[in-house]
Amino acid sequence: DTGVSQDPRHKITKRGQNVTFRCDPISEHNRLYWYRQTLGQGPEFLTYFQNEAQLEKSRLLSDRFSAERPKGSFSTLEIQRTEQGDSAMYLCASSSIEEQFFGPGTRLTVL
Amino acid sequence: ILNVEQSPQSLHVQEGDSTNFTCSFPSSNFYALHWYRWETAKSPEALFVMTLNGDEKKKGRISATLNTKEGYSYLYIKGSQPEDSATYLCAFIGGTSGSRLTFGEGTQLTVNP
Repeated sequence: DTGVSQDPRHKITKRGQNVTFRCDPISEHNRLYWYRQTLGQGPEFLTYFQNEAQLEKSRLLSDRFSAERPKGSFSTLEIQRTEQGDSAMYLCASSSIEEQFFGPGTRLTVL
Repeated sequence: ILNVEQSPQSLHVQEGDSTNFTCSFPSSNFYALHWYRWETAKSPEALFVMTLNGDEKKKGRISATLNTKEGYSYLYIKGSQPEDSATYLCAFIGGTSGSRLTFGEGTQLTVNP
């Protein structure tokens, strides 16, 4: 499968714990995006990488959130001290030019 | 804040019906409009990327039109099938928003056999 993959697909955690998600983009894509979708809403932009450089961050990305793309390939999104409001679907997408290809997402539930 | 709106929020149709949804977006500073189909437990699937006013694109029974001057796009499905059941999302890219997608809330389509 040469699409975008995300791991894990589901994560249940207790409030206050840290969680980390991984995204493996399509191999030749230099752009990588993270989005978050909460119930009843469309996905919202979180952050964007071109190669290993993080070029844009949304105001939604509080200081508890950090994203990395160390070698310009896979990316990780870490949430520290999770809160119930962090419960959402976290989507990763990659692109080379215009069209963004999405992974299946990681569904986070914070109890 | 960019406002992208979709209507209706949900739609139930019978197999064989044709249907259409609307996406409205800011008419100023337009760069591109994307349509996605998102089935439960799967990845959002890109349907169309539309950039030019008056664009019409087609993929099988699904087609889309674009009016950038008035800020709307229509998505049409001809002869709906149960496998068309999904959430249909539109996403706007403005000229100054880099490459970030601003999504609408989606239209949830259910096609009954």
